[in-house]
Amino acid sequence: QVQLVQSGSELKKPGASVNISCKASGYSFSDYTMNWVRQAPGQGLEWMGWINTNTGNPTYAQGFTGRFVFSLDTSVSTAYLQIISLKTEDTAVYYCARDSQSSSWGQGTLVTVSS
Amino acid sequence: DVVMTQSPLSLPVTLGQPASISCRSNQSLLHSDGNTYLNWFQQRPGQSPRRLIYKVSKRDSGVPDRFSGSGSGTDFTLKISRVEAEDVGFYYCMQGTHWPRTFGQGTKVEIK
Repeated sequence: QVQLVQSGSELKKPGASVNISCKASGYSFSDYTMNWVRQAPGQGLEWMGWINTNTGNPTYAQGFTGRFVFSLDTSVSTAYLQIISLKTEDTAVYYCARDSQSSSWGQGTLVTVSS
Repeated sequence: DVVMTQSPLSLPVTLGQPASISCRSNQSLLHSDGNTYLNWFQQRPGQSPRRLIYKVSKRDSGVPDRFSGSGSGTDFTLKISRVEAEDVGFYYCMQGTHWPRTFGQGTKVEIK
């Protein structure tokens, strides 16, 4: 069955960087795009963008350009989200979700940014 | 961007009674390929979202048949025929026709 397993919670200081992984199994990784979704504390879901798992080409939603980087390691069927120059407002749970209709989701990674 | 508007935002329901959530978009979600990409997600407390419905009315595998989706164009509805305790949580619609993808604000379903 399709599984997306994300890396564990992170506690970071403002200005630091964080790298979140999303390891896929149960399907051919390159057959489906991967999306990233943010959920701030007590808030709804916000689509951040997606990455083409064939070409590695990322597309970022408005508000997620510059400090957010999507990447892949297809050899281990894993997608990554890197956030650089962290701000306190980046505190959120970050989800990976498979394909353009988000049919399957990872368990989420809580990133807490605090001094 | 397409704006998705859900109502109500809070829905107290009695166990065993029906529930209905509306989702409206400010643009048609009919894709040029003839499909309408409107999805519904359930997020139980402390869990990640789970897709229940895709293409307006198709249930995902393992989703109980008490959940149904309907609608077309810009007006969509998720119905729960008889609410059970495990249905408590937030429900989100998401349009998958236009870029960027956009979600509704979410509807909190709770037991009266």
